[in-house]
Amino acid sequence: EVQLVESGGGLVKPGGSLRLSCAASGFTFSSYSMNWVRQAPGKGLEWVSSISSSSSYIYYADSVKGRFTISRDNAKNSLYLQMNSLRAEDTAVYYCARKNGGNPFDYWGQGTLVTVSS
Amino acid sequence: DIQMTQSPSSLSASVGDRVTITCRASQGISNYLAWYQQKPGKVPKLLIYAASTLQSGVPSRFSGSGSGTDFTLTISSLQPEDVATYYCQKYNSAPFTFGPGTKVDIK
Repeated sequence: EVQLVESGGGLVKPGGSLRLSCAASGFTFSSYSMNWVRQAPGKGLEWVSSISSSSSYIYYADSVKGRFTISRDNAKNSLYLQMNSLRAEDTAVYYCARKNGGNPFDYWGQGTLVTVSS
Repeated sequence: DIQMTQSPSSLSASVGDRVTITCRASQGISNYLAWYQQKPGKVPKLLIYAASTLQSGVPSRFSGSGSGTDFTLTISSLQPEDVATYYCQKYNSAPFTFGPGTKVDIK
């Protein structure tokens, strides 16, 4: 069974940093590109970042470019999102999601809540 | 970047009604269009990919169509368990932009 479990969310002050993790199991993690998607309270889905299976290709939404860094450790079946210079508007539930080759996001984690507030 | 729009933003329909949601891309995306369902308090779930291919396990009352810039999601007979927000997404290349969502509830 495919499982994605996020962790690392919490309350952080504006300007602070946080590192999210996503532990994957039930599939060959190193064969899939992975993504972070966020959802602010009461709002829609926003794609944040994508990383290819071997980390060769990395993409970011303009809203986080220069502040967030996506990475992965295929030996540990883990995906990460380093978030720096956090702003109130980064407050959201952050989901990790698997992209199935040329197909869209077929599995999602339960999400981890990040709250940026003083 | 390609922008995704959806209409309507919300709708209310009766059980058994046919419901149609429209998604439009600002540039052509061939058939690289997915639909997701997000029930209140739940994780998004992939319903349809390649504009019209049903994900395994999705009820046949859901269908999708379109290509290029204009796409539709149809629920042939609305059921109470279909109350949710529906999002379209382009996935041919990054950024993998989502539409703003369409909230569906029961009248």
